[in-house]
Amino acid sequence: DVKVTQSSRYLVKRTGEKVFLECVQDMDHENMFWYRQDPGLGLRLIYFSYDVKMKEKGDIPEGYSVSREKKERFSLILESASTNQTSMYLCASSFILAEGNTIYFGEGSWLTVV
Amino acid sequence: QQQVKQSPQSLIVQKGGISIINCAYENTAFDYFPWYQQFPGKGPALLIAIRPDVSEKKEGRFTISFNKSAKQFSLHIMDSQPGDSATYFCAASMRVIVTDKLIFGTGTRLQVFP
Repeated sequence: DVKVTQSSRYLVKRTGEKVFLECVQDMDHENMFWYRQDPGLGLRLIYFSYDVKMKEKGDIPEGYSVSREKKERFSLILESASTNQTSMYLCASSFILAEGNTIYFGEGSWLTVV
Repeated sequence: QQQVKQSPQSLIVQKGGISIINCAYENTAFDYFPWYQQFPGKGPALLIAIRPDVSEKKEGRFTISFNKSAKQFSLHIMDSQPGDSATYFCAASMRVIVTDKLIFGTGTRLQVFP
């Protein structure tokens, strides 16, 4: 079974704090993704990565950065958390989608910034 | 241009009825169109997917209809069951450099009543 594990399910952080969200996949996938999910807005792509140390900006990268030091691990970093970053964050991984592969999601990290 | 527009936002169907969710896109570079199902507290899971060279794909009670010229695709759930009550997302993927960028619609909350 493919597993995408997000280490923190529920976090409460203060405005201005640095926040790390960790994601690990066990299928040797090249692609890894970070999305945020908000009611009525669907899943919006923050960053994605296709290899170690490689990253691409998604549609809403402002206020976020990422790190991929190992193939199986993709971290999302909020340098200075703000209340408008309160959301559910979803990590995902896949082989090449165009070849008919499936993207697998973690169960999400609920972040509240107060 | 990279948006995927999804409707309706919510849908109420009686058990045994047909649920229909529609999506539209603009960018012809999209080459893979999956649908995801999400239950509360869980990450999205792949339901069914289609490529643009096929007009229809059926898996059990779930069918994707794809209209390439209109740039539209839809999910039909036949004989809808209460267990189908979930949020459904359409998505579209394109190649970006050597990776895939997967964009989601805003989601449809489906409720199936007995």
